[in-house]
Amino acid sequence: KNEVEQSPQNLTAQEGEFITINCSYSVGISALHWLQQHPGGGIVSLFMLSSGKKKHGRLIATINIQEKHSSLHITASHPRDSAVYICAVLIKAAGNKLTFGGGTRVLVKP
Amino acid sequence: ETGVTQSPTHLIKTRGQQVTLRCSSQSGHNTVSWYQQALGQGPQFIFQYYREEENGRGNFPPRFSGLQFPNYSSELNVNALELDDSALYLCASSLDGGSGEQYFGPGTRLTVT
Repeated sequence: KNEVEQSPQNLTAQEGEFITINCSYSVGISALHWLQQHPGGGIVSLFMLSSGKKKHGRLIATINIQEKHSSLHITASHPRDSAVYICAVLIKAAGNKLTFGGGTRVLVKP
Repeated sequence: ETGVTQSPTHLIKTRGQQVTLRCSSQSGHNTVSWYQQALGQGPQFIFQYYREEENGRGNFPPRFSGLQFPNYSSELNVNALELDDSALYLCASSLDGGSGEQYFGPGTRLTVT
C-alpha cells in the first residue's frame, strides 16, 4: 500500500464547476505539499501545509492532521486548470524527502 | 518561474553510457533534491544535497551519484545507463535540508535507447 493515496485518479469537469481532489496518507508527516504539473513536465508548488487551510486565488487547500487527510479545491474551474495535481508529504521518520501520491489528472472542458 | 534551472532540457543516450545532469538552485537556497519521474508515474526521490553533503537517499543504486558545489548548484550523474533510466529528472531547491517550500526546475527528459 502506498504511503500517499490520491483520489480520484482522473477527473473531468465543465468550465465553472467546483473541483475537489483528495489526499490521504498513512504516516506521520511534518508538512504536505500540493503541486501542479502541466504536460511537458514542469512542476509548480501550489501550497505547503502543516495545519489548517490556505487560499490562493481560486485554489484552496485544507489539511486535517488527526485524520491524515488533505483536500485541494478549485473554485470556478477554467480550462487552464487542466493539469496533473500531485500531493506530496514530508515524512517525519524519513528526514526531509518528499513522498509523492500518484497524481490526479484534471481536464476542464470549455 | 521559480529561478531553478536545469540543463540540458532533453538528452538522448545509449545504454551503457554515462550522463551528467545539472541544476542551478534558487538564489539563497542551500538544499537541492533530485527526483526521477517515469512516464505516467509520480516522482521518486533519488537523493538530497544540503550544504555540499548528501542528506538522504532514496532506493536508487550506487550508479546514481551526485555533487553539490559551493554555490549550491548540483549535478546528478548516472553511470552504465539502462533503458529503465529513461525518465524526466527533476531537481528542487529549498532551504535548510528541505523542510520548507520546494521550488522545482523544469526538468531534464532523458531517453536511453
